[in-house]
Amino acid sequence: GQSLEQPSEVTAVEGAIVQINCTYQTSGFYGLSWYQQHDGGAPTFLSYNALDGLEETGRFSSFLSRSDSYGYLLLQELQMKDSASYFCADTGRRALTFGSGTRLQVQP
Amino acid sequence: EAQVTQNPRYLITVTGKKLTVTCSQNMNHEYMSWYRQDPGLGLRQIYYSMNVEVTDKGDVPEGYKVSRKEKRNFPLILESPSPNQTSLYFCATRGSTSYNEQFFGPGTRLTVL
Repeated sequence: GQSLEQPSEVTAVEGAIVQINCTYQTSGFYGLSWYQQHDGGAPTFLSYNALDGLEETGRFSSFLSRSDSYGYLLLQELQMKDSASYFCADTGRRALTFGSGTRLQVQP
Repeated sequence: EAQVTQNPRYLITVTGKKLTVTCSQNMNHEYMSWYRQDPGLGLRQIYYSMNVEVTDKGDVPEGYKVSRKEKRNFPLILESPSPNQTSLYFCATRGSTSYNEQFFGPGTRLTVL
């Protein structure tokens, strides 16, 4: 089976940095993706890590350590519009398994 | 504009009344998938299709059917809906080369009374 665990909720202030962790227990793990979902909206792709290390895309970075079965999403210079739910996902060739999501609240 | 469309966006129905949620994509992608989203459970995959006429069960296929007769369409069929299928449903697609990124439709909120 596959399972990915994330904190259910994180709160941070505007301009700060926040890290959302994801630990996984999967067989045949392929790579880790991150998606953002605003209330009432569809998930949108943020980043993907196939290999260990850090991937940077603007204010967002994502990290993967296969040896630790662990990854995280790092959001810098937080803005109010970053308030949303964030999901990590084991991204296989055939199927995609999501964590239960982390709700990020950015406060002024 | 590249997009995934779903219809209807909202549906209230009664137990046992067959329904179909349509999904269409204009990106010429081979892979399509259906998810349901419930509070506290994240998104769970119902069915996916690697190509036309090829479909496979995801994590929660019970009570659902799909068909893939053409590349652009992937309808989700509930033959006899039950209240536990009340959920938010998303269709998604991805490309063959950069399959790490999935593109989601706007969602269909289904209520079964």
